[in-house]
Amino acid sequence: ELKVEQNPLFLSMQEGKNYTIYCNYSTTSDRLYWYRQDPGKSLESLFVLLSNGAVKQEGRLMASLDTKARLSTLHITAAVHDLSATYFCAVDGSSARQLTFGSGTQLTVLP
Amino acid sequence: GAVVSQHPSRVICKSGTSVKIECRSLDFQATTMFWYRQFPKQSLMLMATSNEGSKATYEQGVEKDKFLINHASLTLSTLTVTSAHPEDSSFYICSARNQGGGGGYGYTFGSGTRLTVV
Repeated sequence: ELKVEQNPLFLSMQEGKNYTIYCNYSTTSDRLYWYRQDPGKSLESLFVLLSNGAVKQEGRLMASLDTKARLSTLHITAAVHDLSATYFCAVDGSSARQLTFGSGTQLTVLP
Repeated sequence: GAVVSQHPSRVICKSGTSVKIECRSLDFQATTMFWYRQFPKQSLMLMATSNEGSKATYEQGVEKDKFLINHASLTLSTLTVTSAHPEDSSFYICSARNQGGGGGYGYTFGSGTRLTVV
């Protein structure tokens, strides 16, 4: 059974600071997704990582994937208030072709 | 890009009644759709996988007689919560697997349905 662990669960950070969210998963997969969820809303796709060593960047967010370590990171650079949201990683099981979600990281960026 | 339309966005119903939620893929054919439930401050939990023209596959612990899923066409899946009770109050989100660029595939999510059972 595929398990996805995400940490931290809660993250408060000052504007302008950097931080990293971690996503570990338990079985082989080469497809990992990052999503953002605002309160009361559905999921917004941020990144799709499809191979070992993949790195994608959009604005102040950068995601990477290490399939050998079964680890993905979401790095936040110079945080701004607009980044406050809950961030989920999700792993596509290689045989099941369905997503298993991490527990989510609730990010609050403080002025 | 691929769009999934989910309706209604909010519904309030009385205990014991049934509620139907629709999930439509607007610009692509979705042979497989997924239904998730999300309680406040929690992650998304997969309830069932819906396959066009065949029976849905339910996750362990999900009552198939209570959560009826129909995927009668390549663009529409429905989730009916039967005999709803207050503990069924939750945020329900559908997702469709769509063909992505380069021969790959991705997942597109609906906007979610907030169900409140009173």
